Amino acid sequence: EAGVAQSPRYKIIEKRQSVAFWCNPISGHATLYWYQQILGQGPKLLIQFQNNGVVDDSQLPKDRFSAERLKGVDSTLKIQPAKLEDSAVYLCASRLDSTYEQYFGPGTRLTVT
Amino acid sequence: AQSVTQLGSHVSVSEGALVLLRCNYSSSVPPYLFWYVQYPNQGLQLLLKYTSAATLVKGINGFEAEFKKSETSFHLTKPSAHMSDAAEYFCAVSGGYNKLIFGAGTRLAVHP
Repeated sequence: EAGVAQSPRYKIIEKRQSVAFWCNPISGHATLYWYQQILGQGPKLLIQFQNNGVVDDSQLPKDRFSAERLKGVDSTLKIQPAKLEDSAVYLCASRLDSTYEQYFGPGTRLTVT
Repeated sequence: AQSVTQLGSHVSVSEGALVLLRCNYSSSVPPYLFWYVQYPNQGLQLLLKYTSAATLVKGINGFEAEFKKSETSFHLTKPSAHMSDAAEYFCAVSGGYNKLIFGAGTRLAVHP
């Protein structure tokens, strides 16, 4: 079974630029999560989708971050405009509804200069 | 609200020695608890989980963890460390809507 796919793996941008990340979850996993992992910290949830609906986006900085999962499968996370403090690894995870385990992708490492 | 505290941001052991990584949690409801491992430039891999069944949970790569409600702890152990165990380990508790709330992580170094 294929795992969670993410792209790009690395991205370097200047502050005030925009950037987008893509995630394709494991087939059949209805729940999709985006986490932000700042260096030296544990991952922090940004947004959670159930199919194409948002379940929890309470920690998403909505003035600059947006995410969508239009067809209930793959998802994109966008930052516009980026700030220096957005430098982090952005992890996507998915979960089958009948289980508790989340499966993580390899992440996208964003550097904002 | 749920939270996780991992004691010790860095742990160093010799190859063959016992590994003990500490995790304490706070939860207003019976918790579901997880340990994940992260190798450099990779995502997180599930080591083991506690979901209210047996309190001693066995995971992959010889790791196990014991849920102790009285101590609000879920420490991770492995009897004999291997060089390949060097990585960062995260303890997590399941919060609302099954999101994960992670600790800050413990970096494990294994010396020959």
